[in-house]
Amino acid sequence: AQTVTQSQPEMSVQEAETVTLSCTYDTSENNYYLFWYKQPPSRQMILVIRQEAYKQQNATENRFSVNFQKAAKSFSLKISDSQLGDTAMYFCAFMADQTGANNLFFGTGTRLTVIP
Amino acid sequence: GAGVSQSPRYKVAKRGQDVALRCDPISGHVSLFWYQQALGQGPEFLTYFQNEAQLDKSGLPSDRFFAERPEGSVSTLKIQRTQQEDSAVYLCASSLRERFADTQYFGPGTRLTVL
Repeated sequence: AQTVTQSQPEMSVQEAETVTLSCTYDTSENNYYLFWYKQPPSRQMILVIRQEAYKQQNATENRFSVNFQKAAKSFSLKISDSQLGDTAMYFCAFMADQTGANNLFFGTGTRLTVIP
Repeated sequence: GAGVSQSPRYKVAKRGQDVALRCDPISGHVSLFWYQQALGQGPEFLTYFQNEAQLDKSGLPSDRFFAERPEGSVSTLKIQRTQQEDSAVYLCASSLRERFADTQYFGPGTRLTVL
């Protein structure tokens, strides 16, 4: 079974500053995918960034980047130059690389507030 | 183009009532997922469709939960004899192909409250 742990229920950051959200996971799989999803107050879940476990290079998407440590089973999200629109719940999610194993396993989320 | 839509957005049911929640995926998307999100929790997988075939229903919590996608597009999640523990947001997601790593696009969810 897969488990995803987000140990920071709430975080805040000043506008324009940098913040890092933590995520750890547990799996016996060797090949898998990791995701960060953002869920603004309107509740529509949006993909922020994804990482393939077989890739050693950390994924980046504009102001968002990850620090993927496979051995430590850690997958943190760094948001640079935080903006007010970044205020949302952030969920870390795992998907096994298996035929038929299409579903996502989510953590409990981190509520991020960007302070003006 | 239009994203994933869900209706109703809010549903209040009395304990014991049956409810039906609708999901309209992105046009042409092969895969469709249902998740349940309890208050303060992350979404939890319920069931998965590839076109009209329900390939995985391992997450359905009881036989009161039933999902269908008869024509491979719109899907309905039905909950019979609702209980208070069924209160949650029900999220639908779709992805383009049957490949397991395709990005899932989520709808806004249906918030179900069982009194």
